Amino acid sequence: SAVISQKPSRDICQRGTSLTIQCQVDSQVTMMFWYRQQPGQSLTLIATANQGSEATYESGFVIDKFPISRPNLTFSTLTVSNLSPEDSSIYLCSVEVGQGNNEQFFGPGTRLTVL
Amino acid sequence: AQKITQTQPGMFVQEKEAVTLDCTYDTSDQSYGLFWYKQPSSGEMIFLIYQGSYDEQNATEGRYSLNFQKARKSANLVISASQLGDSAMYFCAMREGTGNQFYFGTGTSLTVIP
Repeated sequence: SAVISQKPSRDICQRGTSLTIQCQVDSQVTMMFWYRQQPGQSLTLIATANQGSEATYESGFVIDKFPISRPNLTFSTLTVSNLSPEDSSIYLCSVEVGQGNNEQFFGPGTRLTVL
Repeated sequence: AQKITQTQPGMFVQEKEAVTLDCTYDTSDQSYGLFWYKQPSSGEMIFLIYQGSYDEQNATEGRYSLNFQKARKSANLVISASQLGDSAMYFCAMREGTGNQFYFGTGTSLTVIP
């Protein structure tokens, strides 16, 4: 398993500002993932963050809006830029443990509200 | 087509009773994994149980078991002896082959009634 922490746990931001979310894992992992969960919705993958290379974004998500850093094997950040009320969501990072189809473990999430 | 379908937006169960949460999936891959996660109101996603497509036995983890019917492409979660702390959203998810993405269903809200 893996222990994952996220900072901040929640935040309230003004429209037009940006928020950077940090994800820290207690062990080295190859892949880290960022998800968004809009209110009352399921999880949607934003991007996959690999150490030493550019993040891979899913359809509908772009680097300018969601820049990601992955400086080492235990840490990643997701920035949500130019915030609008539609960005109000829970943002979760997750990591893959083991190989093949093993489970992904999730961080506790960051609850963002944009005014 | 939806990769994961959960047709029960909300379910109620009496404390100490068993409950089944439905999940069907759609894939043409031979190798895939099926997962169930619990999300309490606090927002964290808690891994519950995993079933591999090649696993012949149904997965079990304590009070959780997965009723895997490959021909029907269903992976229902069974929670036995429900407890008040089981009240939460439950998400079914699938990962195809060695791909990165997890496909999540829309979730089922379970309420355990004392």
